[in-house]
Amino acid sequence: NAGVTQTPKFRVLKTGQSMTLLCAQDMNHEYMYWYRQDPGMGLRLIHYSVGEGTTAKGEVPDGYNVSRLKKQNFLLGLESAAPSQTSVYFCASSYGQGLRLSYEQYFGPGTRLTVT
Amino acid sequence: DAKTTQPTSMDCAEGRAANLPCNHSTISGNEYVYWYRQIHSQGPQYIIHGLKNNETNEMASLIITEDRKSSTLILPHATLRDTAVYYCIALSGYSTLTFGKGTMLLVSP
Repeated sequence: NAGVTQTPKFRVLKTGQSMTLLCAQDMNHEYMYWYRQDPGMGLRLIHYSVGEGTTAKGEVPDGYNVSRLKKQNFLLGLESAAPSQTSVYFCASSYGQGLRLSYEQYFGPGTRLTVT
Repeated sequence: DAKTTQPTSMDCAEGRAANLPCNHSTISGNEYVYWYRQIHSQGPQYIIHGLKNNETNEMASLIITEDRKSSTLILPHATLRDTAVYYCIALSGYSTLTFGKGTMLLVSP
C-alpha cells in the first residue's frame, strides 16, 4: 500500500515550458487535491476533484489545469510555466463527504518545481 | 474559520509526553479542531481531529476543553521522528485546508 505517490520529485523548467505532475493513490479515495506550499504563504489549494471526471477550482487555480480521467490519478498541468509557479506541490486524497470537503487528507511527498 | 494560536516552538525529551497547546477562543459550534504535522521536506500528515469529545488514535490524543476554546495534542511517548511542525486548525467544512505557522516541536535524546 503505497498511499499517495507523486512524480516527478524534482523538476527545473524554463519560463514558458509546460509540464504535467502526476499524482496516484491506491486507497480508493473519491476526493483528490492539488496544493502548493510557499514560504510565508502556507498551503494553498489549486484544484480539487470529488470524483472521476470532475474537477473544481480552489484558491489559486490560475495558470494550472487538472484532469481526473481515472479515480486513482489526478494530473496537474502547467501550460506555460512562470517563475511565480516556483513552489513545492503536494497532492492529497481523502474519502468523500457528500458535497463538503474532507479534511482528513493524506498527502504525497511533494514535487519541488523551480521555474527559471 | 476560527483563528488558532500556537506557541512558536517547544522542546521535549525523547520518551516523554509532548503536550502541544492550541488556543481557538472564537471557534464556532460547527467547527472541528484538526491537527496535522509536517516533518521537514515531507508532505503534511493528518494526525487527529475532534469536535467536543476527547479523541485518541494510534498516533496521539486530543483533549478539547469543555468550552472548546482551547485544545491540547498529546504525543504520549515522543520519539526523534516526531520532530516536526504541528498545525492546529479549526474547520467547518466550507473552506479549504490551510496551515498557519504552527509549533515547531523538537524532540531531543
